[in-house]
Amino acid sequence: ELKVEQNPLFLSMQEGKNYTIYCNYSTTSDRLYWYRQDPGKSLESLFVLLSNGAVKQEGRLMASLDTKARLSTLHITAAVHDLSATYFCAVPEYGNKLVFGAGTILRVKS
Amino acid sequence: GAVVSQHPSWVICKSGTSVKIECRSLDFQATTMFWYRQFPKQSLMLMATSNEGSKATYEQGVEKDKFLINHASLTLSTLTVTSAHPEDSSFYICSAHSGGTYEQYFGPGTRLTVT
Repeated sequence: ELKVEQNPLFLSMQEGKNYTIYCNYSTTSDRLYWYRQDPGKSLESLFVLLSNGAVKQEGRLMASLDTKARLSTLHITAAVHDLSATYFCAVPEYGNKLVFGAGTILRVKS
Repeated sequence: GAVVSQHPSWVICKSGTSVKIECRSLDFQATTMFWYRQFPKQSLMLMATSNEGSKATYEQGVEKDKFLINHASLTLSTLTVTSAHPEDSSFYICSAHSGGTYEQYFGPGTRLTVT
């Protein structure tokens, strides 16, 4: 059974600081997804990582995938308040079913 | 980008009644749709996978007689919560997948409150 673990589960950051969210998964997969969720809202797709070594960047967020280590990272550079949200990673199981991590609640303090 | 809509966005119903939630892919044909449930401060849990023209596949622990899923066309799937109880109160989110892509497109969610 595929398990997806994120850490930390809660992250309080000062504006301008850097930090990394980690996502580990238990079985082989060559794909991984990152999503953002604002309170009361649905999911917003951030990144789809499709192969080992994939790196994608959008603004202050950068995601990478190491399929051999079964690890993905979401790096936040010079955090700003607008990045406050819950971030989920998800890994596909058979049939494109997604198994989600528990989520990381990010609070950026000014 | 591809758009998925859900209707209604929120609904309040009395215990014992049934509620139908619609999920539509607006600008693409969805070979597969997924239904998730999210309780407050928790992650998304997959309830069922729905393929057009065939019976839905339910995840372990999800009662198929209580959560009826119909995927009548390539652009519409419905979830009916039958005989709803307060513990069914949750945020229900659908997603749609189009064959040939890796993306799943998520709907805006439906907040169900059962009183």
